[in-house]
Formats: sequence, C-alpha cells, structure tokens
Amino acid sequence: AQSVSQHNHHVILSEAASLELGCNYSYGGTVNLFWYVQYPGQHLQLLLKYFSGDPLVKGIKGFEAEFIKSKFSFNLRKPSVQWSDTAEYFCAVSSSGGYQKVTFGTGTKLQVIP
Amino acid sequence: GAVVSQHPSRVICKSGTSVKIECRSLDFQATTMFWYRQFPKQSLMLMATSNEGSKATYEQGVEKDKFLINHASLTLSTLTVTSAHPEDSSFYICSASFGASTEAFFGQGTRLTVV
Repeated sequence: AQSVSQHNHHVILSEAASLELGCNYSYGGTVNLFWYVQYPGQHLQLLLKYFSGDPLVKGIKGFEAEFIKSKFSFNLRKPSVQWSDTAEYFCAVSSSGGYQKVTFGTGTKLQVIP
Repeated sequence: GAVVSQHPSRVICKSGTSVKIECRSLDFQATTMFWYRQFPKQSLMLMATSNEGSKATYEQGVEKDKFLINHASLTLSTLTVTSAHPEDSSFYICSASFGASTEAFFGQGTRLTVV
C-alpha cells in the first residue's frame, strides 16, 4: 500500500524567506504526485502535480516541486514566501493513475510572519 | 477552478441517529466523486469512490452498510452515516471530477460530532 510522509508539521517563516517542505512516499511502482494547499477558511485546491516527464514541476503562485525517484521524494519549494502563503500544505500520491485513490500526507501548516 | 459544495458544514447528532451529508458540483458534471474522512492531526483517508449511476467502491476497512453513498445524478452525491456513534465523529470531505483522469475539486468539508 502507498503512504506519504510529511516531516514538518508546523513551519514558521518570515516574509521573503525560502521555503522547502519535505514529502516522501512509499510505493515501488509508477506514481502520480500532488501538492494541495488549503488557505484559511477555503477548500483544498491543487497547487501542482507530477504525472510524467520533467521531474521539476512548476505550479501556481511561484511554487515548484521536484520528483526524485531514487529518494522517493517530492519536496515543495518557493524561493521567497509571502504572508499570503500562510496555509496548510498537503502532499499526496496516487498509484492508480490520474486522481483515483489518492493518499494524503498529514499536512504541514505554514505560517508566514510579515 | 470548478466549485464543489458540501452541506452541512457542521452537524451535531445524537448517538444512534443517521446523518446525511451532501456533495454538489455546482458548475460541472461530476461523473466521479470521492469521499474522505480526516481525524485530528491525521491525513485524509479515502473512504470510497462513487461513479454516477453505479454502486460505490469502498476502501478496505470501510463499512459500506454504515457509510451509505448514493451518486444518483451528475451533480450530487450523498454520504449517510447510519447509526452514528461517537467514534464516527470526524471531518468528512468530498471531491468531484469529470472522469478519473481529470482534476478533482474539493468541497469545504463537514465536521460531524456525535454526542
């Protein structure tokens, strides 16, 4: 069975600091990888995804993630965070193709201090 | 993105009663809907996948007779928690997509408290 591990539960950064949120998954086969974001009071929304091709994926709002197959990792990065990036971030994986049977990590709460 | 709405957002019910949660896709036809539950400080766990007009496919360990899922139309799926117990208290979230290979959009979730 697939699983996802997010190492940081709560991250506090100052504006303009760089961000990297760790995500590791366990599954030996082909996977689809996702990062979702939930802003305060809002629905979960897709930040970026990796299905195939270039392992460096660019998403909305300046976020990117790199799929490193040898490390089973899909870390999320942003060079300079803003106060509006305060949210909870979820890494997720699907081994069934597309958006089926998605397994989520426990989430990382990011707090950006102005 | 597309809009998915859940109702109610919060519900408190007595132990032994049943509760129905609705998930609606407001501006697209959702052929596939997913139901998740989230316990405090844990990740979202997929409970079941439902395709319009078909019986839901439940994940291992999820009681299909307790968590009844109906997906009778392309815009509405319902989750009924039957004979609710305090241990069913959780956050239930749905997502909807137009097919398995297209992006799934999430509802805002329903906080169920069974007393």
